[in-house]
Amino acid sequence: DSGVTQTPKHLITATGQRVTLRCSPRSGDLSVYWYQQSLDQGLQFLIQYYNGEERAKGNILERFSAQQFPDLHSELNLSSLELGDSALYFCASSDRPEQGNYGYTFGSGTRLTVV
Amino acid sequence: GQQLNQSPQSMFIQEGEDVSMNCTSSSIFNTWLWYKQEPGEGPVLLIALYKAGELTSNGRLTAQFGITRKDSFLNISASIPSDVGIYFCAGRQTDSWGKLQFGAGTQVVVTP
Repeated sequence: DSGVTQTPKHLITATGQRVTLRCSPRSGDLSVYWYQQSLDQGLQFLIQYYNGEERAKGNILERFSAQQFPDLHSELNLSSLELGDSALYFCASSDRPEQGNYGYTFGSGTRLTVV
Repeated sequence: GQQLNQSPQSMFIQEGEDVSMNCTSSSIFNTWLWYKQEPGEGPVLLIALYKAGELTSNGRLTAQFGITRKDSFLNISASIPSDVGIYFCAGRQTDSWGKLQFGAGTQVVVTP
């Protein structure tokens, strides 16, 4: 157990639907990162939050949004789902990046299948 | 898109052999990390490198941060069956505030 909890582990949904993926970071970690892993694209950075504020944005589609709540858990919302959104979605957390610790701890991921 | 070029894409080796893989970039990175991912799990950090030229070991694993800051390599010595998995390099650029870019991964298969 890495300490980063992601739910659900698996999700099957239809095109056009909306889903919410949840992540609880490791205790004490303030930063949360979301990554998408697909077979042909590898691990792609989506978005980062630090202590409730958005810090960096990657290749995140407009149909996707995220937030980090006061208790530091984060949610990734995916809407108007398309077949191509099928992928593993990972959440990772780290403590203070400004102190030089860039070793993320990853959760086990949510496997999203859009049918 | 992907800025890190990781090679080889896959390796099929016999138990006891050494494994080498590397990662190159056209950009300078200030931090290099190596992760291992097993089926159904998220990547797990193996080694972190923070200085150009740094050579760091973790058991049978050795990684180096290239002098040019544009490359890194990972060696696994005397491979064992549990070394099977996908190995990813990851790098951080200046002012990216923790955001890591990942290579495409090297799949390692070890046969007894």
